[in-house]
Amino acid sequence: AQSVTQPDIHITVSEGASLELRCNYSYGATPYLFWYVQSPGQGLQLLLKYFSGDTLVQGIKGFEAEFKRSQSSFNLRKPSVHWSDAAEYFCAVGAPPNSGTYKYIFGTGTRLKVLA
Amino acid sequence: DTGVSQDPRHKITKRGQNVTFRCDPISEHNRLYWYRQTLGQGPEFLTYFQNEAQLEKSRLLSDRFSAERPKGSFSTLEIQRTEQGDSAMYLCAGKTADGNTIYFGEGSWLTVV
Repeated sequence: AQSVTQPDIHITVSEGASLELRCNYSYGATPYLFWYVQSPGQGLQLLLKYFSGDTLVQGIKGFEAEFKRSQSSFNLRKPSVHWSDAAEYFCAVGAPPNSGTYKYIFGTGTRLKVLA
Repeated sequence: DTGVSQDPRHKITKRGQNVTFRCDPISEHNRLYWYRQTLGQGPEFLTYFQNEAQLEKSRLLSDRFSAERPKGSFSTLEIQRTEQGDSAMYLCAGKTADGNTIYFGEGSWLTVV
């Protein structure tokens, strides 16, 4: 079955520290991969995406993610966290064409807290 | 701006009442999704439209839920005989025909009391 796992429910880091949020997926083929961020009471904003090619992708707000096919992972990283990065982060997979489904599947999210 | 507008942003209703949410994507988003998100969870897929055709539905979309996209532009999600378990945020997302990314609106919060 298709699934997305974000093993860390909560993460707390100090401002200026580095960050890595984990994401593992289970899918028959290599899906499209995404990271979204959500502030309280708001919709989801796209941070970055991977479809093919270079396995290290850059996104907005200084975030990057690395696709590792052998580990079925797509971890999100940021070298220096800012207080404004405190939010909830969702990893998602999207079905490639002709896969028999159109839905995008989301993980349960990782809530990031940033200490001043 | 993602190009997806949702209305209302918040709705409080009494159990047993019917509610309707509306989603207005930009014209380029001929693909449209509805998701539901409860507190502490990720978005859960409800249904997908390609233009006016509803091509995929989740088992979460019980017979009390109905979604329409009559002219392939705006969409509505109706919940009949609301239950407290329906309290959640209902998210709409749009996608272009040749794109692979879905863009979300701000969501509609439903509280059933």
